[in-house]
Parts: sequence; structure tokens; C-alpha cells
Amino acid sequence: QVQLQESGPGLVQPSGTLSLTCGVSGGSIISYNWWSWVRQPPGKGLEWIAEIRHDGSHNYNPSLRSRVTISIDNFKNQFSLKFNSVTAADTAVYYCTRGDYHSGWLKGAIDYWGQGTLVTVSS
Amino acid sequence: DIGMTQSPLSLPVTPGEPASISCRSSQSLLYSNGYNYVNWYLQKPGQSPQLLIYLGSNRASGVPDRFSGSGSGTDFTLKISGVEAEDVGVYYCMQPLQIPITFGQGTRLEIK
Repeated sequence: QVQLQESGPGLVQPSGTLSLTCGVSGGSIISYNWWSWVRQPPGKGLEWIAEIRHDGSHNYNPSLRSRVTISIDNFKNQFSLKFNSVTAADTAVYYCTRGDYHSGWLKGAIDYWGQGTLVTVSS
Repeated sequence: DIGMTQSPLSLPVTPGEPASISCRSSQSLLYSNGYNYVNWYLQKPGQSPQLLIYLGSNRASGVPDRFSGSGSGTDFTLKISGVEAEDVGVYYCMQPLQIPITFGQGTRLEIK
């Protein structure tokens, strides 16, 4: 059973950088899967941020691209997110997720989610 | 971006009664291979979302058969044949076909 665990500071200063890591256990990150970050502001819906594959190929949500970097460490079996110039609007629960491919590189579904970590942007 | 619009946004249901949630996409999610690339998730209170239905109509592992998904193209429906107390939470549709991946606004199901 694959498990994902987010880690990182729960409080970030405005204009600072939010850094999160997702540790993957119960399976290899070098697999026919895509790994992504999704966030959820308190009381609101889900927003996809970015995705990455084990070979390093990645995609970003265009609305966030200028502030986001996603990376992967195959040796440590983890992937990470960096979010620059944060504001209070970036306060959210951040989930790391695993998705599967259905056909070729056509994405199927997100089938595993971490428990989520609340990041608050405040001074 | 592909917009995903759910209705209703709030759904009070009596236990044992059926429930239905609609999801409309701004572009077709029917790919040339014949599959509809839409998934349904349930986020129970205080929990992470969990996959219910994938590729439009396939139940995920362990999902009770009272849940079913249907539709094609731009119109999709999640049905619960008889709501149980454990089904409360927020339901989301999601499309993985085009970047950015997008979710519906969510439908909150509550027990009357």
C-alpha cells in the first residue's frame, strides 16, 4: 500500500518561500505514475498546482507557474514543492498525490493522497 | 482551462434515498480512444479526498456499488442509489485530460 507524507514548516512569512517535501513509502517513485501537489484553502475547493514524473518531466498550473518549482529525488523516493513570494492567499492545506496513467501518457486518476499539511502565511 | 461546473452545490438527502450530482465540463472529456477522462472524489470531513469513480464510470477499489458514474462528452453524473450516513462530505469531479488539471467547485452532501 503506497503512502505519501507531506513535511515542511506550518508557518511561512509573507513574501517568503514555502518549501514542502513528500515522502513516498510502500512503492517506488520510479514507476509509471505522475506525482503532483494539490492545495485547498480553508473551507474552499481543490486547486492543482504542479506534477512531475520520475524522469523529471513536469507541468505547472499556468496561474501559479511564475512562483512554483517542483522537483523529484529518485534516490530518496521523494518529491518537493517550492512556492515563492507567498501571500495570505497561499494559506492552504497542501496535499501530495500520486496519479496513474491510463493509456500511454494520458493521465487517469489521482489514486493516492497524503494526509495534507496546513501551511499558514502570516507574520 | 477546462471549467468543471457542479450542481447542486448543496445536497440534503434522507438516508436510504437516492442522490445525484451533475458535473459539466467546458470542453469534451471524451478522448478519441472512447474513454471519458473524468473522475469523482469524496472528501469526508477532516480527511483527504478519496477516489470513487475513474474514467467516467469505473468504481475504484473498495467503493460500494451504490455509487455509479455515467455520462459522456461534457455532461457527467454521479449517483448514489441509497445514501448512507457515511456518505456525507464534499464530492468533486475532476478532469486529468488537459493541463491544468481542474476540479469542480464541490457538492456538499448532508443527511436530513
